[in-house]
Amino acid sequence: AQSVTQLGSHVSVSEGALVLLRCNYSSSVPPYLFWYVQYPNQGLQLLLKYTSAATLVKGINGFEAEFKKSETSFHLTKPSAHMSDAAEYFCAVSDGFQKLVFGTGTRLLVSP
Amino acid sequence: NAGVTQTPKFQVLKTGQSMTLQCAQDMNHNSMYWYRQDPGMGLRLIYYSASEGTTDKGEVPNGYNVSRLNKREFSLRLESAAPSQTSVYFCASSETAWDRDQETQYFGPGTRLLVL
Repeated sequence: AQSVTQLGSHVSVSEGALVLLRCNYSSSVPPYLFWYVQYPNQGLQLLLKYTSAATLVKGINGFEAEFKKSETSFHLTKPSAHMSDAAEYFCAVSDGFQKLVFGTGTRLLVSP
Repeated sequence: NAGVTQTPKFQVLKTGQSMTLQCAQDMNHNSMYWYRQDPGMGLRLIYYSASEGTTDKGEVPNGYNVSRLNKREFSLRLESAAPSQTSVYFCASSETAWDRDQETQYFGPGTRLLVL
């Protein structure tokens, strides 16, 4: 069975600081991994996905994530946080059979 | 393109009442999904439809039924609502469920349901 663990339900950073959101996965098949963002009162929007090509994946809004098989991790980073990045971020793994399994989410707070 | 649309946006029900949540997509996607989102629990899959005419249970199907009306529409029905079904419900769609490179899911704006 597939699962993801997101460490930290809340992460606080200052504007301009590095953003690091952690995701570790467990998968019995080669994983496809996703990061989604949810702004208040909205649906989820795809940030980026890993599909076994390049291990460093670049997404929208300056975010990127690196797949590390040895660490079973897929952490999300952004060099410099903007106020507009404040949102909830979800990591998800595909089981390869039409289903996504989501983590519990990390709320990113950005202070001026 | 509107993408994935959901109606209603917000609903209040009394325990025991029934209702249907509607979802439609205009991206010609084959696969559609219903999730519920609860605080601290992320999104959990209720039901999904890999293609028109098929539906399958997800992680939390109890108390729900679904209908894949046609390729565009996928509805979720609560026959007898319970307070435990208070949640935010999201519909999603993807091009196909059989090609892993096409399985990115696109989400609707959600329906907030309160059951008293």
